[in-house]
Amino acid sequence: DIQLTQSPSFLSASVGDRVTITCRASQDISSYLAWYQQKPGKAPKLLIYAASTLQSGVPSRFSGSGSGTEFTLIISSLQPEDFATYYCQQLKNYPLIFGGGTKVEIK
Amino acid sequence: EVQLVESGGGLVQPGRSLRLSCAASGFIFDDYAMHWVRQIPGKGLEWVSSISWNSGAIGYADSVKGRFTVSRDNAKNSLFLQMNSLRAEDMALYYCAKGGGSSTYYYYDYWGLGTLVTVSS
Repeated sequence: DIQLTQSPSFLSASVGDRVTITCRASQDISSYLAWYQQKPGKAPKLLIYAASTLQSGVPSRFSGSGSGTEFTLIISSLQPEDFATYYCQQLKNYPLIFGGGTKVEIK
Repeated sequence: EVQLVESGGGLVQPGRSLRLSCAASGFIFDDYAMHWVRQIPGKGLEWVSSISWNSGAIGYADSVKGRFTVSRDNAKNSLFLQMNSLRAEDMALYYCAKGGGSSTYYYYDYWGLGTLVTVSS
C-alpha cells in the first residue's frame, strides 16, 4: 500500500506569512493527489486536485505543486480564515488514503 | 446546488449492524463515483469505501473489508453503507462525498455534513 507522510503535523504562523505544507508518497503517484482544508466542526473542502489544479472558488493564494512522490501546498499570504487543518489524499491506487493532516494555528 | 445528506447513524452495540444512507441532489448522480470517509472526532480523515458510477468498481479500506458493503441506487440518487460486525474502532463521523468523475480515482469535490456512529454496549 502507498503511504503518505505529511509535514509538519502542526505549524504556528501569523497572518500574512507564507506557509508550506509537504506531502510525501511512498511510491510514485504521478499527479494523483488532492488537498483539502477542514475547519473545526465542518466537512472537508477541496482546495487542489491533480496536484496543482485549483478548485473553482478557492482563493489564488493557495497553490499546489509536485509530482511523483513529493508534493507541496503553499498558502502565499495566510489569512485569518485559513487557520484550519489541511490533508493530502492520494488517488492513484486503493486504499485511497489521506495524509495525517497539518494543523495551522495562529502564532 | 449539490447537496449530500447522510442518515442512519446512531448508537449500536458491538457486533451489531447499521446501514448508512446518503441522499444526493443537485447533480446527475449516476455520472459520478461516490465515497465514504470517516473521522474519529479530533482525529484525521480515513477513507472507507468508494463506488464507481455504475457500481462496476468498488474499493474498501482493509479495516472494513469483509464487514462493510457499499452500494448505490442511481434511480433514487442514493448511496448506502451496510456496516456489519461493528467494532468500537468503527465509532466515527461518517461522511458521504461526491467524486469529481465517474471513476473512483477522482478527487472529492462535495461532502455531506456526516452522520455519527457510536459503537458501545
